[in-house]
Formats: sequence, C-alpha cells, structure tokens
Amino acid sequence: LAKTTQPISMDSYEGQEVNITCSHNNIATNDYITWYQQFPSQGPRFIIQGYKTKVTNEVASLFIPADRKSSTLSLPRVSLSDTAVYYCLVGGMFSGGYNKLIFGAGTRLAVHP
Amino acid sequence: DTGVSQNPRHKITKRGQNVTFRCDPISEHNRLYWYRQTLGQGPEFLTYFQNEAQLEKSRLLSDRFSAERPKGSFSTLEIQRTEQGDSAMYLCASSLAGTKNQETQYFGPGTRLLVL
Repeated sequence: LAKTTQPISMDSYEGQEVNITCSHNNIATNDYITWYQQFPSQGPRFIIQGYKTKVTNEVASLFIPADRKSSTLSLPRVSLSDTAVYYCLVGGMFSGGYNKLIFGAGTRLAVHP
Repeated sequence: DTGVSQNPRHKITKRGQNVTFRCDPISEHNRLYWYRQTLGQGPEFLTYFQNEAQLEKSRLLSDRFSAERPKGSFSTLEIQRTEQGDSAMYLCASSLAGTKNQETQYFGPGTRLLVL
C-alpha cells in the first residue's frame, strides 16, 4: 500500500484559497487518490477522488500531475467552517478485491478570521 | 438521512464490561468496514465485510473483539472484557463494490467509547 506524506498543519484566513499537497511516490498503477475531511468527534467525510489530471466538484479541486507522485487538494475561498483535518489516501482494488484505507496523521488546517 | 448511521454515539463503561456497537450502512452497499481512531491519529482498519462474509481482520482486532454482519445489512462490533486501552472512536464505513478499481467509502459519525 502506498504511503502518503502531507504537511502536519497549515494556517489560512477566511476567503483565501488553500492548497494542500500530498506526496505519494510509490503510488501503484491501479491506485486512486482520495481526500477526506474530518471535524472533531465526527467521522471522515469524503471530499474528492481522482486518478489523473484535474477533478473538480462543488467542494474542491484535485490536481494530479502526469507522474501521479503527488496531488494537491485546492479549497477555494475557505471559511472558518473549513477548519478540520484533511487526509490524503491512495489505494485501489487489490487482489483481495477490496480497499482498506490506510490513514496517516493528516493535515490540520486552521482558518482564521 | 440516507448516510451511514452508528449507535450509540457515546458509550462509557467500566473496565471488564462488554459493549456492543451497531452500524447501519448506506442501503445496498455491499461492503462494510470498521476502523478505530485514537486521539490525534488517523483511523486504523479493523475488519471488512463483503455482504455477510467477514473477509479480513486486522491484528489490532484481538480475540476480545468480534464483529458480525448477519444478512449482509447492519453490522455489530462487540468488545468483551473491555480495557482502558480500548477507549477510542469506532468508525464504520460502507461502499458499493463496482467493476472498476474506484471505490469510495462513506463513514458514519462514529461511536466514542470511554472505558473507566
């Protein structure tokens, strides 16, 4: 299973764009990249998932370069409510046919007024 | 609400007691996962069900832990003879297996266990 490396913490201010970069040098061909958001005392919330290039939804954008060894989660115009821990994960279907997620420590994003 | 639900949300118990948690996955999701999360750490995989079959158990799941998913719908996680080290957030996630590699797991709100 590929490991990921992301900053332990980041600070931003309301209205700014936040980019969180994740390194996954050993990503496998069949691995997808998934980002989750977690608030205190809640379960992780799926944000976005992609395989290559750029993916955008109503919440965020995910940029994946051609070599797929890193990815960047982009949160446009953050608000105080975006203060949370963000997890980057890579994985896909394995020979066993399922995908147990391996979480790192995540990035603690603090948005200030 | 059609998301993953877990009950109870909080549980306080004394050391040595047994506890049981329940997870109701998203309807028609055939895969169900249990994770455990301690303070300041990311969730750790415990076990996985494909329909009613338990296909993998982590080494974290000692013999005091047992999980079931009768009829492939809801799941229960039981901890016998609880220890203080069992204090954690227990998370359930479900997904729908597709024909491609892509799979998205959706998490419930978790059950926070405190063992005194």
